[in-house]
Formats: sequence, C-alpha cells, structure tokens
Amino acid sequence: GENVEQHPSTLSVQEGDSAVIKCTYSDSASNYFPWYKQELGKGPQLIIDIRSNVGEKKDQRIAVTLNKTAKHFSLHITETQPEDSAVYFCAVVPGGADGLTFGKGTHLIIQP
Amino acid sequence: GAGVSQSPSNKVTEKGKDVELRCDPISGHTALYWYRQSLGQGLEFLIYFQGNSAPDKSGLPSDRFSAERTGGSVSTLTIQRTQQEDSAVYLCASTRNRYTGELFFGEGSRLTVL
Repeated sequence: GENVEQHPSTLSVQEGDSAVIKCTYSDSASNYFPWYKQELGKGPQLIIDIRSNVGEKKDQRIAVTLNKTAKHFSLHITETQPEDSAVYFCAVVPGGADGLTFGKGTHLIIQP
Repeated sequence: GAGVSQSPSNKVTEKGKDVELRCDPISGHTALYWYRQSLGQGLEFLIYFQGNSAPDKSGLPSDRFSAERTGGSVSTLTIQRTQQEDSAVYLCASTRNRYTGELFFGEGSRLTVL
C-alpha cells in the first residue's frame, strides 16, 4: 500500500517567518495531494491541494510544490501568524484508490 | 446542520463494554469515511462507504470493529468488547461522490476506555 512520510513532526517558528513541511510518498501512480489543517478540538480542514499535472500552486500565504520524479511535495507558509498554529497533515490519493492516505502530521507552533 | 455531525463528542467507557459512535454526513454526500486518530498519531483509515456498494472494510483493525450505513446517510461505528488501546478520536468524513476532492470532517468522537 501507499506509504506517506511527513517531516518534521514538530516545527516552531517565529511569527512572520516562513514554515516548510515536507512529505514523501511511495506510489508513483498517486495523482492528488491535499494538505489539511487541524485546530485543537476540530476535525481536519482542507487548506490547499495540488494535482499531478502541475508543479506548484499558491493561495495567498500558502503554497504547495510537487516533485513527481522524486515523489515528494511540500507545504510552504509565508509571513506566519499566530492563527497558523495547528497540526498539518499531508495526504495522498494512491492510483486507483478511493480514499486518502495521511501522513502522521506536523505540529506547527508560531512563537510571538 | 450544514456540516458533518458526530455524536457523542466524548465517551468514557469501561473495558469490555460495547460502544456506538454516530455520524450524520452532509446531505447529498454519497461517500462516507471513518478514520481513527490516536494521541500524537496521524489519521488511520478504518472503513469507506460509497452509495449502495459494499463497503471497503480493509482498515478495520479487528473483528470487534464494525460499521453500517443505513439508507445511504447516517453511519454507526460499533466497537465491541472495548480495550484500552481503542482509546482515540474517531473522525467521520464525507464527500459528494467517491473521492473527487475535499473531504469534510466532523469534529470527532473522543473515546476513552478505562
């Protein structure tokens, strides 16, 4: 089955700095790569996604990059703010599958 | 309501008891997923329902776990003879039709087995 590795497990950055979270996957047929944000006591919520036919996608302070050859993708958050503090999960839809395989999550802490 | 609704939000039970967790998906969403989130861990897939098709049960960890979805809407996850290692947050998610994009998650049911 698909194997998704996510790093780091915890990331602490100063407010205003950038944060980068990375994921690797194993199934080369995977074709959809979303990122979810989970705030304390809530369910995860989609924040950005990318499909296999593009290499980068940006939405305001958030961007995702995809390298299909190397089978890795990354989440970039610029100008971090206190409300960015949360757990972030990458996910992959393996080729032919109907569901997501999630990484283990990154706890992002924004230091004031 | 407009979102995925789960109940109970918190459940404390004694080892060996059975528990039922309920999920009410977004109206019109035919695909429904159950995930388990243990402390500090990622999201572990349990089971997937799509319309009237046979569910994908490949993620259920043991035969103590079962789930059903009545009338293509509400789903119930049942854990029989609960064990301490079953303690986790159980998350339900729905999407419109198979996996076409965004999963909408409920806030989860936190299960504590004493």
